[in-house]
Amino acid sequence: QSVLTQPPSASGTPGQRVTISCSGSSSNIGTNTVNWYQQLPGTAPKLLVYSNDRRPSGVPDRFSGSKSGTSASLAISGLQSEDEADYYCAAWDVRPNALVFGGGTKLTVL
Amino acid sequence: EVQLVESGGGLVQPGGSLRLSCAASGFTVSSNFMSWVRQAPGKGLEWVSVIYSGGSTYYADSVKGRFTISRDNSRNTLYLQMNSLRVEDTAVYYCAREEGRGVVSPYFDLWGRGTLVTVSS
Repeated sequence: QSVLTQPPSASGTPGQRVTISCSGSSSNIGTNTVNWYQQLPGTAPKLLVYSNDRRPSGVPDRFSGSKSGTSASLAISGLQSEDEADYYCAAWDVRPNALVFGGGTKLTVL
Repeated sequence: EVQLVESGGGLVQPGGSLRLSCAASGFTVSSNFMSWVRQAPGKGLEWVSVIYSGGSTYYADSVKGRFTISRDNSRNTLYLQMNSLRVEDTAVYYCAREEGRGVVSPYFDLWGRGTLVTVSS
């Protein structure tokens, strides 16, 4: 059972906007920034968003992150077939003083 | 090219040991915070251990006392010595370069492809 809670699955059609949620608590998301990773099938995770809403160089602006209180969200606009992947949120947790991940959300592009 | 390449995974019996390596190119391991992250088959990601640029090391509670992270500056390589292995340690182990620790939630901006460790009798 993961410290951060994500829906196990999400789906959308090409061109649509999809949002993936990540719920935490005051010891993690409530006091620390959130990062998001994309893991394409059979590959290593890739950093998608860091510090709540910053994108690394090369990540399309179709991907955006936000945070409010003890929850965070990843939004993907203009959904494309190549966005089909697993998405993970992560944040520092002061109890147990370690980085914690969400359980992951499998995004299906219909 | 900036990259990380893991090696050393394989099949080991419960109670056994294994040492993973992560060779870096294009940047200096000792100047960065470096972590190991694992992923059990069909499961999510779990942070395992970090070594700071200054040499301090930290571990997840699940591996504390059994795993040791280290680096060889001359080889620009990161290691993970895993002892007293358990079935539940079965996973793909990724090494990753870390940024932001102490300022924001640490994030991993560079990942290796991973190496599979299977603990089974």
